Order: sequence, then structure tokens, then C-alpha cells
Amino acid sequence: SQTIHQWPATLVQPVGSPLSLECTVEGTSNPNLYWYRQAAGRGLQLLFYSVGIGQISSEVPQNLSASRPQDRQFILSSKKLLLSDSGFYLCAWTPGLSPTDTQYFGPGTRLTVL
Amino acid sequence: GDSVTQMEGPVTLSEEAFLTINCTYTATGYPSLFWYVQYPGEGLQLLLKATKADDKGSNKGFEATYRKETTSFHLEKGSVQVSDSAVYFCALTSMFSGGYNKLIFGAGTRLAVHP
Repeated sequence: SQTIHQWPATLVQPVGSPLSLECTVEGTSNPNLYWYRQAAGRGLQLLFYSVGIGQISSEVPQNLSASRPQDRQFILSSKKLLLSDSGFYLCAWTPGLSPTDTQYFGPGTRLTVL
Repeated sequence: GDSVTQMEGPVTLSEEAFLTINCTYTATGYPSLFWYVQYPGEGLQLLLKATKADDKGSNKGFEATYRKETTSFHLEKGSVQVSDSAVYFCALTSMFSGGYNKLIFGAGTRLAVHP
């Protein structure tokens, strides 16, 4: 069966520091991968998605970036964190690009920027 | 653009009460509709889904019917339990010009069930 992992589970970082969040998927090949952010008390917003190694598309402009160095690894990064980057970051995957496909979510990373 | 509107919470119920969480959507195409649940401190889990009009999704006693005429996908459960306390998200997907599908979420409805 497929599982999705996120690392770390929680993170507290000072403003201006760098960021690296990792997501890995097991038990499948060539998944479509997504990064979402959930701000406190709000819904989820899609940040990035990837359909293959090295292929990244951004949904909203921000100081975050994403990379996919391996088929089942998706990394979210920032060179300098802002206070507004605080939130709950969720990685998700789908087997294909059909709108009927279910998106499966990881356990999330809670980021607090102080 | 496409959007999802959910009833605001929190919804507070006693155990064994009937639950309805309203969800309506706006979409230009023919979206698939989903309910996700988020337990405290955890990621999102798929609760149920429906991929075409008049489909009924069901799971763990929860049900929702895809109503195209009213653009709704209301979540219902006949008898809630304390363990159902969580945040519930209604969402839709549709194809975008980039050739991928994106989940568009409602703001979420927090449910608190008391013994």
C-alpha cells in the first residue's frame, strides 16, 4: 500500500532563516505531488504541484520554492522566512491527473515563524 | 473562478444527534466533489467523494449526494459520536489549463460532539 511521509512534524524558525520541508511517497511510481498550506483557521491553498522529476508549477507568487529531485520526493524551501509563512504545510499525491482521482495527504508539518 | 462555500462553525452537538454540514459550489465544468476530515494535529483524510451528478458518497455513517441542480454536496450523519469531533472540509476538483487537477477547498467547519 502507498504511504506518504512528511518531515519534520513541527518546526519553529526565526524570521529570515532558511526552510526545507520534505515529503516522500512510498509504494507507487510517478505520483503527482502537491504542496498545500493551511493558515490558522482557514482553508487550504495550493502552493506547488509536480507531474514529474524536475517539473514544478507554482500556483501563487511567494518567497517559497519547490523541487523534485527524485520521483517520490518533493521538497519545499525558502531562503528567508517571513512571519506570514507560518502555517500547516501538507503534501499530497495522486496517481494521475483525472479530476476524479483522490488526493492523499501526508500528516503535515506545523511551521511557526517567530 | 471555481469556489466552495461551507457553513461556518463551530457546530456543537450532543452525542447521537443528527448532523448536517452544508456545502455549495461554483464551477464552470463538471467537478468531482469531496469531503475531507482533519482530526486535531493531523493531516487530511478522505471521508467520501462523488464524481458525477446524483452520485452518493458514503463512509463511516456519513453521506453526501452530488446535487447538480442546487450545486450542493451537504454532509449528513444520522447519529454523531464524540470521536467524530474534527474539522470537515468540502472540496472540488476540476481540470485546469495547465493539465492538472487542483483541489479547491471550503474554509472548513469545526464539529464538536459532547457526551
